[in-house]
Amino acid sequence: AQKITQTQPGMFVQEKEAVTLDCTYDTSDPSYGLFWYKQPSSGEMIFLIYQGSYDQQNATEGRYSLNFQKARKSANLVISASQLGDSAMYFCAMRGGTSGTYKYIFGTGTRLKVLA
Amino acid sequence: DADVTQTPRNRITKTGKRIMLECSQTKGHDRMYWYRQDPGLGLQLIYYSFDVKDINKGEISDGYSVSRQAQAKFSLSLESAIPNQTALYFCATSDPPPDTQYFGPGTRLTVL
Repeated sequence: AQKITQTQPGMFVQEKEAVTLDCTYDTSDPSYGLFWYKQPSSGEMIFLIYQGSYDQQNATEGRYSLNFQKARKSANLVISASQLGDSAMYFCAMRGGTSGTYKYIFGTGTRLKVLA
Repeated sequence: DADVTQTPRNRITKTGKRIMLECSQTKGHDRMYWYRQDPGLGLQLIYYSFDVKDINKGEISDGYSVSRQAQAKFSLSLESAIPNQTALYFCATSDPPPDTQYFGPGTRLTVL
């Protein structure tokens, strides 16, 4: 069965510091995609970063990077130089099901609070 | 203007009522999705459509139905609403793989 696990319900980080949000996944599909989304208190869902299962290098998008460790089945999000506006819920997600039924599943999220 | 719009943004209804949530997009994507989000949880896929003639059930389709009226329009219906369908509902679109999801602003539905 496919599954996404985010074990940190809440995290605090000091402004300008880096923070790592954990995500582990489970799938038997040979090809899959891993995503991170941000949900501010206003409620919208915003795409941050994507990593394909066959990508050799870790994805980066500005201050966001994805630490992809395929053997460990982990896809942690690293936010560098945290800003107050980074305070939000962060969801890890996986697209899979290439061997059968399409699936797009989300973790339960991590609430990040950036402290001034 | 937003690329993905949802109407209504908020809705309060009573148990047993039929309700429709509408989604429109200007991104030109073929793929569209409906999700629900319960407090403290991630999103769960209700239905998805890869083109106008293609409709598929997601994880939690019971109690819901959908209609893909055009490439740009995808509606979600609750045939007979019940209180545990109270949630935040998102419509999303994507291009073919990687299938990055582009979300609408959400509809907050309360069933009394």
